[in-house]
Amino acid sequence: TQLLEQSPQFLSIQEGENLTVYCNSSSVFSSLQWYRQEPGEGPVLLVTVVTGGEVKKLKRLTFQFGDARKDSSLHITAAQPGDTGLYLCAGAINYGQNFVFGPGTRLSVLP
Amino acid sequence: GAGVSQSPSNKVTEKGKDVELRCDPISGHTALYWYRQSLGQGLEFLIYFQGNSAPDKSGLPSDRFSAERTGGSVSTLTIQRTQQEDSAVYLCASSSRIAGVRQYFGPGTRLTVT
Repeated sequence: TQLLEQSPQFLSIQEGENLTVYCNSSSVFSSLQWYRQEPGEGPVLLVTVVTGGEVKKLKRLTFQFGDARKDSSLHITAAQPGDTGLYLCAGAINYGQNFVFGPGTRLSVLP
Repeated sequence: GAGVSQSPSNKVTEKGKDVELRCDPISGHTALYWYRQSLGQGLEFLIYFQGNSAPDKSGLPSDRFSAERTGGSVSTLTIQRTQQEDSAVYLCASSSRIAGVRQYFGPGTRLTVT
């Protein structure tokens, strides 16, 4: 059973465009994380959101945690080729002792 | 080293053989996780170690899979009688309660079963 769904599965855009990717679940999570993974490497944590309705900004990236703590979104402004990668969301279960990952959104930003 | 290391980086094995994958976590990290990632997919949880507690093995797909963590540090994931569907990247991550819930991932071991 896939607890976390991500959409879109694939996204290819031109440099300078804006985009939003989504992470959805029917389950409530105590916290939710976003990771970016590049080919041949492990995922790298971008952000952790904990409070329902929380918004965090990391330069051109804006993360939002849904009020009910079941969903999240990642918005990228003025995408750059360096943003290319697999974006994974992960929900914390067992009070952060374990995590379930979504299938990821594969983003390609073309110069 | 400063990060999580895994070895080997690549492993090709014949169907039916046993393989061992190694993970060296960040020194002092009490939690260690193993995940499996099939081509282009998300991460599938396999097993979780936390300090001296009994490991959470709920993600292991079959009894051919097992893992140990010796001395609270290095971990070995063993796959017996490998099958072609075991082909994937196996990722290890570690975390520290002090640092919160952030997981630091190794580069993974790419396993190919022929």
